[in-house]
Amino acid sequence: NAGVTQTPKFQVLKTGQSMTLQCAQDMNHNSMYWYRQDPGMGLRLIYYSASEGTTDKGEVPNGYNVSRLNKREFSLRLESAAPSQTSVYFCASSEVGGWAGELFFGEGSRLTVL
Amino acid sequence: KNQVEQSPQSLIILEGKNCTLQCNYTVSPFSNLRWYKQDTGRGPVSLTIMTFSENTKSNGRYTATLDADTKQSSLHITASQLSDSASYICVVSAQQAGTALIFGKGTTLSVSS
Repeated sequence: NAGVTQTPKFQVLKTGQSMTLQCAQDMNHNSMYWYRQDPGMGLRLIYYSASEGTTDKGEVPNGYNVSRLNKREFSLRLESAAPSQTSVYFCASSEVGGWAGELFFGEGSRLTVL
Repeated sequence: KNQVEQSPQSLIILEGKNCTLQCNYTVSPFSNLRWYKQDTGRGPVSLTIMTFSENTKSNGRYTATLDADTKQSSLHITASQLSDSASYICVVSAQQAGTALIFGKGTTLSVSS
């Protein structure tokens, strides 16, 4: 079982470049999330999608956009990357809303912005 | 302000020994408390989810306790193995609209032979 799959696993960008992180889940989950993890900090929510067709801002949405393409796929886009966006990004999914449902995480996408 | 504090920040133990990790939270209204294990370079994996009414929950050699009155939780690891070396993250859910998960910074456990 693949679970939550993220691509790419590693990426190096120059300041100002754009890129999209892809996420797909095969568990038929309704909710999907994007988190970032920085050294010495807990995971922080960037955006989430409670169900297909809806997206909402999380704790740190500035500089990011998301698209819930269908029930399986949830992408995160950086329009103009900045060094402050150097981080490890995790996609997660849950069958029900986040405060009740168990989260299943992908393996992470490690992004460096020079 | 909703917060989750974990201690210790890091811990080194010998293989076969037991250890206990702590989590204190100030989250209201409380929904549930989760413990995740995150291996280096991997995504977090759920160990336990505990609701308000659950005091103890086990998953193999992992036992989580919850004291909702004092707003404290602990994760006890019995007979540690080298594969237990990881970061352990405490996450508390607040019962509110949207998704309100408050993540602790984690405790890094190193098990040595």
